[in-house]
Amino acid sequence: AQRVTQPEKLLSVFKGAPVELKCNYSYSGSPELFWYVQYSRQRLQLLLRHISRESIKGFTADLNKGETSFHLKKPFAQEEDSAMYYCALTTSGTYKYIFGTGTRLKVLA
Amino acid sequence: NAGVMQNPRHLVRRRGQEARLRCSPMKGHSHVYWYRQLPEEGLKFMVYLQKENIIDESGMPKERFSAEFPKEGPSILRIQQVVRGDSAAYFCASSRGQGLTNEKLFFGSGTQLSVL
Repeated sequence: AQRVTQPEKLLSVFKGAPVELKCNYSYSGSPELFWYVQYSRQRLQLLLRHISRESIKGFTADLNKGETSFHLKKPFAQEEDSAMYYCALTTSGTYKYIFGTGTRLKVLA
Repeated sequence: NAGVMQNPRHLVRRRGQEARLRCSPMKGHSHVYWYRQLPEEGLKFMVYLQKENIIDESGMPKERFSAEFPKEGPSILRIQQVVRGDSAAYFCASSRGQGLTNEKLFFGSGTQLSVL
């Protein structure tokens, strides 16, 4: 069965420290992976997707098919990065996203 | 463009009552998706609708749950005879096209349903 696992419910880091939010998935085919973010009192919004190979707000994520991972990284955390982050998977050509349980990132001053 | 609008933000119901959750997609979007997030779980797909059509309801519980997206007006997720286990955050998303990987999903703020 397809599954997305985010092992950390809460991750606290100090401002300026590196951040890595973990995401592992299980899917036998070729998945499309995404990171969504929800800032306090705001809507869930797309942060980045692996097919775009982009960097948004300093965040990057590389799809590692060997390790079935799609970890989200940022070299220097900012306080405004504090939010709930969800990793999501879909299979090419479908609309059924499978979300992980989310990781709350807290960036401390 | 106000984005995907969901109302109410919070809905409290007693066991056995009906809950109606509304979702107005973004302007120009004709595809609507409902997701549910139970406590301590990730968002789970429930149903996909286009105007006047249910395309995929494979994630919907078989009983008490129904969804519609009429020609005019918002999409409605209806839960009859609610039980405590229905307490969750219900999110609506919309897209211009069929939500394929080159289509972005835009989410609403969600409706938090609490069943007493």
